[in-house]
Amino acid sequence: EAQVTQNPRYLITVTGKKLTVTCSQNMNHEYMSWYRQDPGLGLRQIYYSMNVEVTDKGDVPEGYKVSRKEKRNFPLILESPSPNQTSLYFCASKLGWGALHFGNGTRLTVT
Amino acid sequence: SQQGEEDPQALSIQEGENATMNCSYKTSINNLQWYRQNSGRGLVHLILIRSNEREKHSGRLRVTLDTSKKSSSLLITASRAADTASYFCATDFVYGGSQGNLIFGKGTKLSVKP
Repeated sequence: EAQVTQNPRYLITVTGKKLTVTCSQNMNHEYMSWYRQDPGLGLRQIYYSMNVEVTDKGDVPEGYKVSRKEKRNFPLILESPSPNQTSLYFCASKLGWGALHFGNGTRLTVT
Repeated sequence: SQQGEEDPQALSIQEGENATMNCSYKTSINNLQWYRQNSGRGLVHLILIRSNEREKHSGRLRVTLDTSKKSSSLLITASRAADTASYFCATDFVYGGSQGNLIFGKGTKLSVKP
């Protein structure tokens, strides 16, 4: 089944403890992107990648890192999480000018 | 930010009525897409309209695009309680090459009362 898989679905952590949210797609899509969703702010883009080894900052990249070493995976890394990074995170991928396929989301709480 | 803007932010209607949501954006696009999100779930793609198209239909959905005004509208006809959700527009900006970067607006929260 064609899908974008994010893990974990829920994560509670403490300030400063490094964490990684994984994202994997099995559709051979070149484009992948991370968004965060907060009430009233819609989806804001964190980072995106047009292809392997090509990543660019979105609107809210501060405090996040990404890597794209292979086409299927696009992990989101929080080196030192802070409470203002508590949010709902979505990974997505697409092919060319087509529609985005979304993962089920990761709800992160940083205390 | 290149984030688009949806209008209104919230819309409450009765079942059977039509719902219209608008989206404005700031720069040249290859296409504009509409997505639906049920509370806290992942987004589901509804419809894509390319920059050289003016109107597109899919079931009870009708999307228009006016590139001169940099705006789009989504019309849901004969709405149902099950249409209650948040609706987002996303613009695929032209960066050159064979694909663009999708930027989302803040969304319209639609409530359809039985």
